[in-house]
Amino acid sequence: KQEVTQIPAALSVPEGENLVLNCSFTDSAIYNLQWFRQDPGKGLTSLLLIQSSQREQTSGRLNASLDKSSGRSTLYIAASQPGDSATYLCAVTNTGNQFYFGTGTSLTVIP
Amino acid sequence: GAVVSQHPSRVICKSGTSVKIECRSLDFQATTMFWYRQFPKQSLMLMATSNEGSKATYEQGVEKDKFLINHASLTLSTLTVTSAHPEDSSFYICSAPRTGKLSSYNEQFFGPGTRLTVL
Repeated sequence: KQEVTQIPAALSVPEGENLVLNCSFTDSAIYNLQWFRQDPGKGLTSLLLIQSSQREQTSGRLNASLDKSSGRSTLYIAASQPGDSATYLCAVTNTGNQFYFGTGTSLTVIP
Repeated sequence: GAVVSQHPSRVICKSGTSVKIECRSLDFQATTMFWYRQFPKQSLMLMATSNEGSKATYEQGVEKDKFLINHASLTLSTLTVTSAHPEDSSFYICSAPRTGKLSSYNEQFFGPGTRLTVL
């Protein structure tokens, strides 16, 4: 069964810093990988979707990379802002479209 | 972009009652939908796959008689928590894949979630 792990579990940085969130998965036969943001008590906001054939995706200050063979993905956030504070989840899909979610990284950006 | 809605967004019920949660794909059809559960400070766990026109498939450890799933149409799936107990209190989220232009590419769209509190 696919297992997804995220490191670190929590991260606190001062405003303006660049940061990297890590995601690893045990079964490299994924279909795609998606990064989400979740605010407390809220649903999921999709940030970036990387198909298995892609190496990275960018959106604004966010850049996600995928190394399928090693079972790893990173989410890079440039010039962090207090509004970036949230829990970030990565999830992988198999061909059946079921998502396996990571444990999440709780990010706090200090003004 | 594609939108998936859930209703209700929040429900409080007494122990022993049943609660129905609806998941709708608003601007696309979904033959498959997924139901997830999230306990406080934990990640989302897949509960079951809802299939239009056939029985749902449940993940190991999820009681199918307690969590009834009905995929009534190509845009609606319902999750009914029967005889709810306090330990069923959780955040329930559904998702639906929308087939893209590429032959085998699907992007998942998630509902906003339903907060269930069982007293």
